[in-house]
Amino acid sequence: DTGVSQNPRHKITKRGQNVTFRCDPISEHNRLYWYRQTLGQGPEFLTYFQNEAQLEKSRLLSDRFSAERPKGSFSTLEIQRTEQGDSAMYLCASSLRGLWETQYFGPGTRLLVL
Amino acid sequence: DAKTTQPTSMDCAEGRAANLPCNHSTISGNEYVYWYRQIHSQGPQYIIHGLKNNETNEMASLIITEDRKSSTLILPHATLRDTAVYYCIVRVDDTNAGKSTFGDGTTLTVKP
Repeated sequence: DTGVSQNPRHKITKRGQNVTFRCDPISEHNRLYWYRQTLGQGPEFLTYFQNEAQLEKSRLLSDRFSAERPKGSFSTLEIQRTEQGDSAMYLCASSLRGLWETQYFGPGTRLLVL
Repeated sequence: DAKTTQPTSMDCAEGRAANLPCNHSTISGNEYVYWYRQIHSQGPQYIIHGLKNNETNEMASLIITEDRKSSTLILPHATLRDTAVYYCIVRVDDTNAGKSTFGDGTTLTVKP
């Protein structure tokens, strides 16, 4: 069990560019979550997958954001035409569907949009 | 999911017990109380959860009041490494459960 991993850990980009983040969950976990966290705030839910199906999306997930989990394993989160307001920590978590579901978080990708 | 209320910050002396309160007065009968913590620049880490009985694990104890409207996370012997933001969350825990709704948490500072 190597835990949840996220890449890259840091990303600096210019406004208007597209960025993509990757999350590798714990191998047997069938649920995967994306959260966004800005400075001084708790994580805010963006979306989650059960296997390859995207089951819920937050209103925070604008048209510029898209997430995929093509084979039910790793997931990508893409932000198109980045804006300065997208600067945040993007956190991924995974869990095993069922009772006593506990989400295990990765270290996050910190995005800075200049 | 029910909303939670936590103090913004707390201090604790190293080696003493840290008691972190959480109010969740609108909790429903099928909602569990979860606690996570987040050390600076890391992802949140699961600590403990419970429904109505008190729970204990190697990290902490969770005391839930009889009416379930509040709870307390207890770190029995706080160390400097316990300095973190602690989040109390309530959520339904069934096969259709998904997101967790985090508040702003309590910043615990353990002092030497």
